[in-house]
Amino acid sequence: QVQLQESGPGLVKPSQTLSLTCSVSGGSISSGGYYWTWIRQPAGKGLEWIGRLYTTGSTDFNPSLKSRVTISVDTSKNQFSLNLSSVTATDTAVYFCARDRWETGGFDSWGQGTLVTVSS
Amino acid sequence: DIQMTQSPSSLSASVGDRVTIACQATQDIRTYLSWYQQKPGKAPNLLIYDASKLEAGVPSRFSGSGSGTGFTFTINSLQPEDVATYFCQQYDDLPYTFGQGTKLEIK
Repeated sequence: QVQLQESGPGLVKPSQTLSLTCSVSGGSISSGGYYWTWIRQPAGKGLEWIGRLYTTGSTDFNPSLKSRVTISVDTSKNQFSLNLSSVTATDTAVYFCARDRWETGGFDSWGQGTLVTVSS
Repeated sequence: DIQMTQSPSSLSASVGDRVTIACQATQDIRTYLSWYQQKPGKAPNLLIYDASKLEAGVPSRFSGSGSGTGFTFTINSLQPEDVATYFCQQYDDLPYTFGQGTKLEIK
């Protein structure tokens, strides 16, 4: 069974870049049929889809964040990463990585989530 | 963006009750809808996909229905472990969007 695990700094200063990595185990990130996705959730609020990456390297982003987001993959390490630039306090949230099934839909595997606080 | 509206935003029910949550989309999403359960401090867990298909390993007391713009999620015979927040999510069009959540408590 595939497992995902987020890692990265829990505190980022305003205007800096938030960088997180999702490590995938129990399956290859290069296998087809899945999008590798980032989702966030501010405390006490709902879920926001940030963007996704396919194994070909193609990406899609939420237009509300598109100018600030990059998602990349390191297949040798079975990891994918999120960079969010020019952060403000409104980017404070729990960030989840997740696996999205291309054919049938649904995020069927999630990391446990990591809290990132934007503060000076 | 497609907006997803859930109702109610919270509800309280007794063990053994049948619980129903509604989810409305601002445009036709066919059956491209999933339902998730999220317990405090945990990641969401996929329960239903394609509006009505039960994810493997999910108890059969959970079910979903609907198509187009109106959807329903049902728990038959509520159990204490079902206390959680439930979210719907559309995957018909990017950006994928979620409902605001329904917090379910036990009376």
